[in-house]
Amino acid sequence: SQKIEQNSEALNIQEGKTATLTCNYTNYSPAYLQWYRQDPGRGPVFLLLIRENEKEKRKERLKVTFDTTLKQSLFHITASQPADSATYLCALQETALIFGKGTTLSVSS
Amino acid sequence: DAMVIQNPRYQVTQFGKPVTLSCSQTLNHNVMYWYQQKSSQAPKLLFHYYDKDFNNEADTPDNFQSRRPNTSFCFLDIRSPGLGDAAMYLCATSRGTRTEKLFFGSGTQLSVL
Repeated sequence: SQKIEQNSEALNIQEGKTATLTCNYTNYSPAYLQWYRQDPGRGPVFLLLIRENEKEKRKERLKVTFDTTLKQSLFHITASQPADSATYLCALQETALIFGKGTTLSVSS
Repeated sequence: DAMVIQNPRYQVTQFGKPVTLSCSQTLNHNVMYWYQQKSSQAPKLLFHYYDKDFNNEADTPDNFQSRRPNTSFCFLDIRSPGLGDAAMYLCATSRGTRTEKLFFGSGTQLSVL
């Protein structure tokens, strides 16, 4: 079955910098990949979906890329703010959506 | 305007004492999911319903059962909770199962004493 690896458990950056989070998967390339944000003690919230035929997707300060050759998606937050501090989860479809364990981003002012 | 509501927010049960967690949705979505998430781990899919069609993940223990009496409600029953079942239980919904984003509730944090 598919395995999702989000290599960095924690990422600490300064306010205003760009945060880049990595999601790798092991088997077949999914038709699409999703990113969610999860705050402590809360359920995940959907952020972006990117399809296999899309190289890049943007939403405000967020950008996602999808490289099926590398089996990798990158998630970028530009001009990061302390309010962006959260855990970011990558997810892809099997019988239903499966998730990586996430990368916890801390943005310091 | 909460869309996926989970009750209770925190649940404490005793080892071996059956417990039921509930989830309701106002989105009229076809699919409802239950995920288990332990501290610093990925949400793990337990099962999902597409309408009344129940789909169990192969590695979901028999100790976990689910009921969906109607479109709006879904329940997670843990028949004999063990210490290892202490976790956050997340309910989610989607319109369909393909290319659909999930809407999550706030979760129920289960403690087993």
